[in-house]
Amino acid sequence: EVQLVESGGGLVQPGGSLRLSCAASGFTFNSYWMSWVRQAPGKGLEWVASIKQDGSETYYVDSVKGRFTISRDNAENSLYVQMNSLRAEDTAVYYCANQRRWAFDIWGQGTMVTVSS
Amino acid sequence: QTVVTQEPSFSVSPGGTVTLTCGLSSGSVSTSHYPSWYQQTPGQAPRTLIYTTNTRSSGVPDRFSGSILGNKAALTITGAQADDESDYYCVLYMSRGWVFGGGTKLTVL
Repeated sequence: EVQLVESGGGLVQPGGSLRLSCAASGFTFNSYWMSWVRQAPGKGLEWVASIKQDGSETYYVDSVKGRFTISRDNAENSLYVQMNSLRAEDTAVYYCANQRRWAFDIWGQGTMVTVSS
Repeated sequence: QTVVTQEPSFSVSPGGTVTLTCGLSSGSVSTSHYPSWYQQTPGQAPRTLIYTTNTRSSGVPDRFSGSILGNKAALTITGAQADDESDYYCVLYMSRGWVFGGGTKLTVL
């Protein structure tokens, strides 16, 4: 079964850090670009970051550049995002997704990140 | 800052046909934006419906179709069913990044 499972969400204070993980199974992980997409409570979807199959290219939405770092471990079939200097507006459900043909294909169930004092 | 536009809400009768659109605040949507469409019900992860303008994702019924209509991408649902009542999002590839539309809340009644 093709599956993506996110973990690592939780409550963090403004200015704090958090690392999210996404475990992939059921497909050839190192053949796909991977991405993080988030959704603030009651709001729409927002693309956050993407990483190439071998990790050599990464792209970010402007609002997280310099604060978030996407990475992957193909040996462990895992995707990560290190989130630093967190702000209230980063509060959201974070989904990982694999990409196929410039679209988001398989989605995880998401992990909630709450930034609040 | 480029904004991807979608109708905030739409209503369709059961069995009816509805076309949701995805445009740009400046310029036209083309196949080079590789438009894709997603369905999301409350509390659930998005489900991929359409990618690269008009290719249905695995398991998506053929009553969902994608196209370019004029200067916008479009998602057409033919023979709407009650469980099509969801939020629908489009996303466009915009040169080293993706931009989602604000979503359309579709009501079937």
